[in-house]
Amino acid sequence: EVVLTQSPGTLSLSPGERATLSCRASHSVSSNDLGWYQQKPGQAPRLLIYATSGRATGIPDRFSGSGSGTDFTLTISRLEPEDFAMYYCQHYDGSVTFGGGTKVEIK
Amino acid sequence: EVHLVDSGGGLVRPGGSLRLSCAASGFTFSSFAMSWVRQVPGKGLEWVSGINDDGSNTYYADSVQGRFIISRDKSKNTLFLQMNSLRADDTAIYYCAKEIAGLGRPLFDHWGQGTPVTVSS
Repeated sequence: EVVLTQSPGTLSLSPGERATLSCRASHSVSSNDLGWYQQKPGQAPRLLIYATSGRATGIPDRFSGSGSGTDFTLTISRLEPEDFAMYYCQHYDGSVTFGGGTKVEIK
Repeated sequence: EVHLVDSGGGLVRPGGSLRLSCAASGFTFSSFAMSWVRQVPGKGLEWVSGINDDGSNTYYADSVQGRFIISRDKSKNTLFLQMNSLRADDTAIYYCAKEIAGLGRPLFDHWGQGTPVTVSS
C-alpha cells in the first residue's frame, strides 16, 4: 500500500500569493490515480483535481496539478480568501489512501 | 443536482452496532460506485469501504474488515454501512462519497454532509 506524505504541514501565505503543495508517494504510482481535495472546517471535502492534472467540474483555473512517479504538486496561482483551507492528496492502487494534509493559512 | 444525505450516526457503546445510511439523488445511483470515508475531528481522512455500481463487489480497509458491511439498495437509491463490534477508535465523522464518472477509479466528486459516530461507554 502506498503511503502519501504531504508537505509542508502548514503553509502561511497572504492573499494573492502563489501556493505550492507537495504530495510524495512511497513508491512510483500511476498519475491516473492521484487526486487532490480541499476541505474547510465543518464541511465535507471537495474534489479539486483528478488524474494528477484534470480540474474537477466548477474548479477555478487558478488551481492546477502536476507531477509523476513519486512527486506530485498542487499549485494555487493566486490565493483568494476562500482558498485558505486544508488540502489532501489521495491515491488508489487497490486501496484508497489519503495524505496527511497541508493547511494553507493566512499569514 | 447531486445530493447525498448521510444519517444514522450516534452514540454507541463499545461492542455495539450501528447502521449508517446515505440517501442519494440527482444522478443515476445504480451507475456509480460509492464509498464511505471517515474522519476523526481535527484529523485526516481515512477510506473505510467501497462498493461497485451493481453491488456485486465490496472492498474494506484492513481496520474494519470483518466488522463492517457495505451494501446498497438501488430501489431506494441508498447506500448503507452496517458497523458491528464497534471500538473507540471507530469514533469519527462518516461521509458517503460518489465516484467521479469516466475514470473507473475511486476519486470522489460528491460527498454527503457526514454523520458523527461516537463509540464510548
